[in-house]
Amino acid sequence: AQSVTQLGSHVSVSEGALVLLRCNYSSSVPPYLFWYVQYPNQGLQLLLKYTSAATLVKGINGFEAEFKKSETSFHLTKPSAHMSDAAEYFCAVSDRSGGGADGLTFGKGTHLIIQP
Amino acid sequence: DTAVSQTPKYLVTQMGNDKSIKCEQNLGHDTMYWYKQDSKKFLKIMFSYNNKELIINETVPNRFSPKSPDKAHLNLHINSLELGDSAVYFCASSQDLNSHTDTQYFGPGTRLTVL
Repeated sequence: AQSVTQLGSHVSVSEGALVLLRCNYSSSVPPYLFWYVQYPNQGLQLLLKYTSAATLVKGINGFEAEFKKSETSFHLTKPSAHMSDAAEYFCAVSDRSGGGADGLTFGKGTHLIIQP
Repeated sequence: DTAVSQTPKYLVTQMGNDKSIKCEQNLGHDTMYWYKQDSKKFLKIMFSYNNKELIINETVPNRFSPKSPDKAHLNLHINSLELGDSAVYFCASSQDLNSHTDTQYFGPGTRLTVL
């Protein structure tokens, strides 16, 4: 069974500073990994996904994430935070052992706060 | 054009009532899902459907009954509502049943409050 752990339920950074949101996964088989963002009172939007093509994945809005098998991690980064990045971020895993319709297993989310 | 839409956006009701939430996707996808997001923002899969057929039921009480009249629609009917059913319910869709890499597209959510 797969699972995802997001370290830090809340992360606060200054505008212009580096954003680092941590995600570690547990899976019996090599996983597919996703980062989704949820703005207040909205649905989830895909930021980026790892599908084994490349370990460094670039997404929308300047975000990127690196898959590190040795560390079982898929941390999300952005070099310079913007006020509009304030949102809830979810890491999710899709286990290859089941069918795609198994759905995603989500982490508990990290609330990103941007200080002016 | 909204890709995945849900109605209503907000639903306030009394314990014991029966209610439905509707979901429609215009992406031509084969697979649709229902997720529940609790008060702590934790998201959990409830059901998945492929071409109108139930694929996954993640130990959801049988008071919850999904219905898929066609592959573009997946409605959620809830009987005998309980306080613990209060949550935000998200519908999602993806292209292919057998692809783990397909992006899931989420609706805007329905905030259900049971009084």
